Amino acid sequence: DVKVTQSSRYLVKRTGEKVFLECVQDMDHENMFWYRQDPGLGLRLIYFSYDVKMKEKGDIPEGYSVSREKKERFSLILESASTNQTSMYLCASKRGGIYNQPQHFGDGTRLSIL
Amino acid sequence: AQKITQTQPGMFVQEKEAVTLDCTYDTSDPSYGLFWYKQPSSGEMIFLIYQGSYDQQNATEGRYSLNFQKARKSANLVISASQLGDSAMYFCAMRGLNAGGTSYGKLTFGQGTILTVHP
Repeated sequence: DVKVTQSSRYLVKRTGEKVFLECVQDMDHENMFWYRQDPGLGLRLIYFSYDVKMKEKGDIPEGYSVSREKKERFSLILESASTNQTSMYLCASKRGGIYNQPQHFGDGTRLSIL
Repeated sequence: AQKITQTQPGMFVQEKEAVTLDCTYDTSDPSYGLFWYKQPSSGEMIFLIYQGSYDQQNATEGRYSLNFQKARKSANLVISASQLGDSAMYFCAMRGLNAGGTSYGKLTFGQGTILTVHP
């Protein structure tokens, strides 16, 4: 079974802080994704990565950056946290090149910015 | 651009009955795939079923089936014989092709439908 592990289930930070959300997958997947989930909006893609050190912006990248130094780890960085970044963050991974394979998700991090 | 619309914010069903969750989509991609996920209150996203745009038959997976009507751009999820454990948020999502004609598996999600199963 694929395991996608997010470092924290709940996190509370202050405005202006630099925040790191970590995600690790154990199935050697090429593609990794970061989403945020807000009520009434579903999941929205922030960034994704299709290989080590490769990244592309998703639909809502403003205020975020990412890092993928190793294949199994994909980090989401909030450069200077703001209250409108309070949300549920979900990481996912998927095997590359196989179009009908689903994404596998972590359990999510509920982030509160005070 | 792709868009997924789930028009039912909430649905109720009696235990053991069938329920249909609606999903319509909009895309200009020549090839695409549709996924349904379940999210219980605990938060994890569970993959349920997949339908490819060129698949000849509607997808089925146990009690889940997909009513795929390509001309109407709809991909409704049908859950038969509902169980109390089916109470959850359900998301419809689409994978398309990017401008280069490839896909890294990016998904566009709908707003979700909360299903409540009554005993």
